[in-house]
Amino acid sequence: AQRVTQPEKLLSVFKGAPVELKCNYSYSGSPELFWYVQYSRQRLQLLLRHISRESIKGFTADLNKGETSFHLKKPFAQEEDSAMYYCALSGSGGGADGLTFGKGTHLIIQP
Amino acid sequence: DVKVTQSSRYLVKRTGEKVFLECVQDMDHENMFWYRQDPGLGLRLIYFSYDVKMKEKGDIPEGYSVSREKKERFSLILESASTNQTSMYLCASTTGTYEQYFGPGTRLTVT
Repeated sequence: AQRVTQPEKLLSVFKGAPVELKCNYSYSGSPELFWYVQYSRQRLQLLLRHISRESIKGFTADLNKGETSFHLKKPFAQEEDSAMYYCALSGSGGGADGLTFGKGTHLIIQP
Repeated sequence: DVKVTQSSRYLVKRTGEKVFLECVQDMDHENMFWYRQDPGLGLRLIYFSYDVKMKEKGDIPEGYSVSREKKERFSLILESASTNQTSMYLCASTTGTYEQYFGPGTRLTVT
């Protein structure tokens, strides 16, 4: 069975400090990994996916197959980064059979 | 822009009532999904559909059913609502290119 683990329910950092949100996964094949973000009173939206290797809003994430991790990083946190972040995995269905989400990390950026 | 709309933002129902949650997408997506979102549990897949009149169980289908009579519309049905079905319900759609587009959510309270 596939599983996504986000060990931190809550992460609080000061503005300008580096941020790392941890994500580990369990999947027997080659997964597709994503980070979704939900800002206050907004709908859940895609932040980035590992296959595109993009940097979105200063965030990056590298898939480490050896450690089965997909941690989200940003060198300098901004107050507008405060949100709920979910790591998600898509298995062999290519997303057509749904995503497996972690339990989420609430990121708070303090001024 | 992809638009996924849900019929209600807030809904209050009594135990034992039959509840319908409606979702409509305007981008001709083949795949549609229903998740429930609970604090500390993340998002969990209830049901999904990859075509009209087709449905597949997700991870937590018990107590729910779905209907997809038209491509753009995917309904979640609670045959007999119970208090443990109080939750935020999110609908999503995708073409299968991995990114899922989410609706704003329906917060259902069962009393």
